[in-house]
Amino acid sequence: AQSVTQPDIHITVSEGASLELRCNYSYGATPYLFWYVQSPGQGLQLLLKYFSGDTLVQGIKGFEAEFKRSQSSFNLRKPSVHWSDAAEYFCAGVNSGGYQKVTFGTGTKLQVIP
Amino acid sequence: IAGITQAPTSQILAAGRRMTLRCTQDMRHNAMYWYRQDLGLGLRLIHYSNTAGTTGKGEVPDGYSVSRANTDDFPLTLASAVPSQTSVYFCASSDNGLASTDTQYFGPGTRLTVL
Repeated sequence: AQSVTQPDIHITVSEGASLELRCNYSYGATPYLFWYVQSPGQGLQLLLKYFSGDTLVQGIKGFEAEFKRSQSSFNLRKPSVHWSDAAEYFCAGVNSGGYQKVTFGTGTKLQVIP
Repeated sequence: IAGITQAPTSQILAAGRRMTLRCTQDMRHNAMYWYRQDLGLGLRLIHYSNTAGTTGKGEVPDGYSVSRANTDDFPLTLASAVPSQTSVYFCASSDNGLASTDTQYFGPGTRLTVL
């Protein structure tokens, strides 16, 4: 089945430390991939998306993600985490081409400690 | 620009009652979606609409119905609520129908508790 998997339910990092959130995908062809962030009590907001081309994608708020076909991964990274980055992060994917529904991962909750 | 608004913000409902969750967008987007968010399950698509006048079923449509009489509004109705429908419900929209590359814009959510 086509899906995205986020293996980490909860991650804690210190403020100023680097961050990497994992996302693995399972699609027959190269999918379109997204990362969304959900702050407490809010809806989801798009951080970045990958369709094709450069495998390193830059997003908002200093986040980036790298598409690795060999590892079926699309991990989200940030070099230095701020306390305001505490939120839940969702990876999402969809089959490329045509009208397809987006599938969301189960989310990774990020806690930032001083 | 307000984006997407949802009402109510939260609701406690007795089982068996009928409930309509409202969703309105002011971005003139063609497509709209309803998701439910449950702990450990992420977001699951309930129903969607590619354009006004059309609707489709998502992953978990049972017990829910939708209508899309115009571009802006996409209400979700629970005809006879059950406790398993306790969840946080998010409405979203995107510009060009279910085109894969579209960003989805989300509302703030409705927290529904069915007792």
